[in-house]
Amino acid sequence: DQQVKQNSPSLSVQEGRISILNCDYTNSMFDYFLWYKKYPAEGPTFLISISSIKDKNEDGRFTVFLNKSAKHLSLHIVPSQPGDSAVYFCAASPFSGGYNKLIFGAGTRLAVHP
Amino acid sequence: GAGVSQSPSNKVTEKGKDVELRCDPISGHTALYWYRQSLGQGLEFLIYFQGNSAPDKSGLPSDRFSAERTGGSVSTLTIQRTQQEDSAVYLCASSPSGTLGQPQHFGDGTRLSIL
Repeated sequence: DQQVKQNSPSLSVQEGRISILNCDYTNSMFDYFLWYKKYPAEGPTFLISISSIKDKNEDGRFTVFLNKSAKHLSLHIVPSQPGDSAVYFCAASPFSGGYNKLIFGAGTRLAVHP
Repeated sequence: GAGVSQSPSNKVTEKGKDVELRCDPISGHTALYWYRQSLGQGLEFLIYFQGNSAPDKSGLPSDRFSAERTGGSVSTLTIQRTQQEDSAVYLCASSPSGTLGQPQHFGDGTRLSIL
């Protein structure tokens, strides 16, 4: 049972344009959502997060939008740069237990080309 | 460096052997997590430590898997009688206190290959 889904395995974007990565979830008890970026042979690196009580969080070129009614979140990268080419994972943290057990999607591979 | 350190970075072993994977978290982080990533999949939660205690072991796939943490620091994940389906990248993460929403800092993982 996949509680966090990233339905696009890959995305190709031109440098300078917007990248939009999507994530859907099924569990309404998720309290926090996080995006991680992963380069080959390295561990995931935290990018940005959003609490379930908010609908938008922005950090520089990265913005995360949360639509609770649709159980959908998205990560926008503007402008996209070649160094953004990586696998992006969406993760969710359920409230129960009060600690940070992360449930990950399968990832979306982003390629930013000149 | 000050990041999460994992060893070995790669491990190749024969089916049926036991393996030990080590994680050295960021100094002072009380929360420690183990995940694994199978080919083409997302990260799968295995176990959570708060200090030396493991309040959530729900992700361990079978009783061949065990983990311990000593001194509130280093953790070891042990897989006994390895099977080919155990092949994956095993990732360790730590966070300052494990508070909900607190980002986890990951190591580079151990790539385990079972022949």
